[in-house]
Amino acid sequence: GENVEQHPSTLSVQEGDSAVIKCTYSDSASNYFPWYKQELGKRPQLIIDIRSNVGEKKDQRIAVTLNKTAKHFSLHITETQPEDSAVYFCAASESGANSKLTFGKGITLSVRP
Amino acid sequence: KAGVTQTPRYLIKTRGQQVTLSCSPISGHRSVSWYQQTPGQGLQFLFEYFSETQRNKGNFPGRFSGRQFSNSRSEMNVSTLELGDSALYLCASSFAGAAPPEQYFGPGTRLTVT
Repeated sequence: GENVEQHPSTLSVQEGDSAVIKCTYSDSASNYFPWYKQELGKRPQLIIDIRSNVGEKKDQRIAVTLNKTAKHFSLHITETQPEDSAVYFCAASESGANSKLTFGKGITLSVRP
Repeated sequence: KAGVTQTPRYLIKTRGQQVTLSCSPISGHRSVSWYQQTPGQGLQFLFEYFSETQRNKGNFPGRFSGRQFSNSRSEMNVSTLELGDSALYLCASSFAGAAPPEQYFGPGTRLTVT
């Protein structure tokens, strides 16, 4: 089955700096890669996703890149703000209408004011 | 549109008991997936229901089961509770038109087994 690894497990940045979170996946059949943000005590929130026919996708301060050959994808957050502090999860899903997401263990991002 | 809702939000049970959790998806969403979230294992897929049928299943014992009703609401049941079942149980709904579809999570049910 699919295995998703996420690193580093914690990341601390200064407000205004950029943050990059990387994930690798094992199953070359995976073709959908969402990112979720989970604040303390709240539900995971879908913040951006990418499908395997696209190499990069941007939405304001966040972007995701996908390298299918190397089987890794990354979340980029620019101009970080204290409200970006949260746990970020990457996930991967196989092709078809399959809704089974395999998640990474999550990374705790801390933005220092 | 209203988001995904889950009831109850908190639950305390004793070992050996059983529990039923409920999930109401976003209106128009026909797929409901269930996940277990624990500090050690992260988010793990339990199963997915679509059109009242289980479409996918994760690697959990048979004590974990679920069902979906004709209005797409879903329930999951855990029988013979163990201490290790203490977790946040999240459901996610999706509009099963895109492949694979975007999933939106509910607030979760925090289950504590004593």
